[in-house]
Amino acid sequence: EPEVTQTPSHQVTQMGQEVILRCVPISNHLYFYWYRQILGQKVEFLVSFYNNEISEKSEIFDDQFSVERPDGSNFTLKIRSTKLEDSAMYFCASTPDRAPNQPQHFGDGTRLSIL
Amino acid sequence: AQTVTQSQPEMSVQEAETVTLSCTYDTSESDYYLFWYKQPPSRQMILVIRQEAYKQQNATENRFSVNFQKAAKSFSLKISDSQLGDAAMYFCAYSDLTGNQFYFGTGTSLTVIP
Repeated sequence: EPEVTQTPSHQVTQMGQEVILRCVPISNHLYFYWYRQILGQKVEFLVSFYNNEISEKSEIFDDQFSVERPDGSNFTLKIRSTKLEDSAMYFCASTPDRAPNQPQHFGDGTRLSIL
Repeated sequence: AQTVTQSQPEMSVQEAETVTLSCTYDTSESDYYLFWYKQPPSRQMILVIRQEAYKQQNATENRFSVNFQKAAKSFSLKISDSQLGDAAMYFCAYSDLTGNQFYFGTGTSLTVIP
């Protein structure tokens, strides 16, 4: 069964540096999402993306964050000027059509550690 | 804003027994979707079951079923004949009809005792 893949599985970055988290959604999916999960806390929605545009974003998704679909397969989350509190698991998800009509398929996540 | 509450951080169940995980939510919408996701250790979240609020009939998927109480804004998950592979973190989630945002609870860690 096709899967959403995320790389790297673990990223360690110095505070203040920029980091790019990569996701390869399932190939025929059109809607893409990023979530984060701070250790011990709930999964939080960051942003949804469709047709090369942001559809919706949460309060968390401020100017520090950006998303891009640089080619036909990758969907990236860039975090500029990272802070200690950005340490979390970041999950990518995709759906063939707009959720919730279609269930979201999640990747394994990238664990981001800011030092 | 919508909130999803899971009041049981941890639960345990004997293998082959039944366990119920609780979830409550808050919304002013009349129609929406509710979900239970399973997250095994170090693995991706997988959809377990989905309920559409306008449907009165409780959703079932094999050993998994829900008790959806719309008036009480309650959405519990029942796992029957628990198996070792059911051990995971379970998240309750809410989405409005646009599907643009999902709201998750804090999760319940389920341990299955052999």
